[in-house]
Amino acid sequence: QITLKESGPTLVNPTQTLTLVCNFSGFSLSSTGVAVSWIRQPPGKALEWLGLIYWDDDKRYNPSLQSRLTLTMAASGKQVVLTMTNMGPLDTGTYYCAHRRPAVTNQFFDYWGHGTLVTVSS
Amino acid sequence: NFMLTQPHSVSESPGKTITISCTRSSGSIASTYVHWYRLRPDSAPTTVIYDDNQRASEVPDRFSGSVDSSSNSASLTISGLRTEDEADYYCQSYDTNNHVVFGGGTKLTVL
Repeated sequence: QITLKESGPTLVNPTQTLTLVCNFSGFSLSSTGVAVSWIRQPPGKALEWLGLIYWDDDKRYNPSLQSRLTLTMAASGKQVVLTMTNMGPLDTGTYYCAHRRPAVTNQFFDYWGHGTLVTVSS
Repeated sequence: NFMLTQPHSVSESPGKTITISCTRSSGSIASTYVHWYRLRPDSAPTTVIYDDNQRASEVPDRFSGSVDSSSNSASLTISGLRTEDEADYYCQSYDTNNHVVFGGGTKLTVL
């Protein structure tokens, strides 16, 4: 059974760097074809894709946020870390990590975490 | 990159049928798969339809997905509406660089 869980600070000061961790079970990021993605939802707004990391450490980022984002995987293959620099109030929202169904190109997220709410405020 | 446009909200009575559209701004809607997710308050997002028209497990056959190249749109149709269908629904696809795109979401109200 695949499960994912996000963790990290609930409150971040403006200009600070956010670090969130996605812990997962039921699959390994070292397995061919596997990928994990981060998606967020500001309050009252739409889902926004942030980025994705593949089993081979290849990465894709939302072009509008690429300069602020870094995705890394733990050596265990059971954890993905999201780092977002220069946080501002508009970055407030619920951050989700999700498992991408193994595929050559199709980006489909079949399992999601429950999300973690991050508020950016001084 | 392209955008996916959805109606902001849809409302209908129980037992009726609704369709939520998802229109791709550029490039063919048929060139990449479209997936649909449901978001309820305080719950993890779940899949309703994947790969254009495949129902996720445990999703009743009242839900169906389709793609129409003539309107460059994908659609999610829900028949026999129930109050528990109330949620926000999002379409999602991706581009040739494997960048993911979400629609703006549609709030479904079952009156």
